Amino acid sequence: GNSVTQMEGPVTLSEEAFLTINCTYTATGYPSLFWYVQYPGEGLQLLLKATKADDKGSNKGFEATYRKETTSFHLEKGSVQVSDSAVYFCALSDPNFGNEKLTFGTGTRLTIIP
Amino acid sequence: GAGVSQSPSNKVTEKGKDVELRCDPISGHTALYWYRQSLGQGLEFLIYFQGNSAPDKSGLPSDRFSAERTGGSVSTLTIQRTQQEDSAVYLCASSLAPGRGAEAFFGQGTRLTVV
Repeated sequence: GNSVTQMEGPVTLSEEAFLTINCTYTATGYPSLFWYVQYPGEGLQLLLKATKADDKGSNKGFEATYRKETTSFHLEKGSVQVSDSAVYFCALSDPNFGNEKLTFGTGTRLTIIP
Repeated sequence: GAGVSQSPSNKVTEKGKDVELRCDPISGHTALYWYRQSLGQGLEFLIYFQGNSAPDKSGLPSDRFSAERTGGSVSTLTIQRTQQEDSAVYLCASSLAPGRGAEAFFGQGTRLTVV
């Protein structure tokens, strides 16, 4: 079946540090890949997505590139801010084998200290 | 409404009672999902609807859990004979076309506490 494995948290960084949160996946077809973010006290919201190999999703200074050869979709940001503190979830949807549900990783809690 | 609406936002119930959680998806969204988020855990998939049918019920944890969707819109998740381990935040999401990488929009969730 499909699965998503992401970096164990929590992750604590200083403001302006470089961020990488690793995400790898297993899928039977050619999934779409997503990063969702959950800010404190708020609901889940889409951060970025990529729907085919080599696509790069980007938003709010975050980027992730769909790497089919390594089955990865790592999240990166060059200079984090305190406001980036949140829980980040990597996810996939894989429709080609009748599996349209979103499969999520366990989430990575990120804390940025000033 | 503009977003996915869930009710109630909070529910405290006694062990053994039944509860119903409601989800109003975004108008026109054909796909609807229920997830459970327990304290310190990731998102656990429960059930997925495409229109009124549920092609994937694989995540329902026991036969005490059931869900239905009527008119391709509102969905109700029912938990019978609640147990303390059912305490969690129950999230609903809807999407236009997940198979084409469409964004899933999440509600704020229903926080269920079984005492």
